Amino acid sequence: ETGVTQTPRHLVMGMTNKKSLKCEQHLGHNAMYWYKQSAKKPLELMFVYSLEERVENNSVPSRFSPECPNSSHLFLHLHTLQPEDSALYLCASSQEPSGSYNEQFFGPGTRLTVL
Amino acid sequence: AQKITQTQPGMFVQEKEAVTLDCTYDTSDPSYGLFWYKQPSSGEMIFLIYQGSYDQQNATEGRYSLNFQKARKSANLVISASQLGDSAMYFCAMRGPPGSGYNKLIFGAGTRLAVHP
Repeated sequence: ETGVTQTPRHLVMGMTNKKSLKCEQHLGHNAMYWYKQSAKKPLELMFVYSLEERVENNSVPSRFSPECPNSSHLFLHLHTLQPEDSALYLCASSQEPSGSYNEQFFGPGTRLTVL
Repeated sequence: AQKITQTQPGMFVQEKEAVTLDCTYDTSDPSYGLFWYKQPSSGEMIFLIYQGSYDQQNATEGRYSLNFQKARKSANLVISASQLGDSAMYFCAMRGPPGSGYNKLIFGAGTRLAVHP
């Protein structure tokens, strides 16, 4: 495996279900990110982990719970979601801190549908 | 606050012609970076090109070039010799000063490009 992988690629769940999204990066990076991409809205940063510590949480509802057990893995635990949570969830990684810039490398995303 | 504006929701271009995708930004930081990403229908965001605020020359990467006009706060992407595979969503993004501990990107709304044969 290379780059950033995400599983599952597609997920359909009911509002009472509990599920988890998984992200794995094979790039040796030390920062990982969760983004939400809804239809007709800009990409929204949800969570940032740097050196396995959460450094940003953009007022995301508590029904989304991130977990970063090590620098290569990132999870997003989902419970009692709402239909408006249906979106493409993208994971990304980068090497930080950077003296200049470092682009973020993205995974293919998980397309989530909440019924 | 930092902000990215992409005013073209959709663009189309004839194959083999050049196309310019617009991006304007707003920031009070003197040091910042500007990125362009491509998102095909598969969903993955693919990094295309980067421009630093202190870079003297416009960035180029193969068929991609960035028309950076700092005084106008614009960072337009130019794709030369368009190919059918260039059909995708294109996002402009900005990050703040480096060394802040993590790479916070602010994205624009995107432009959908369709390349016609």
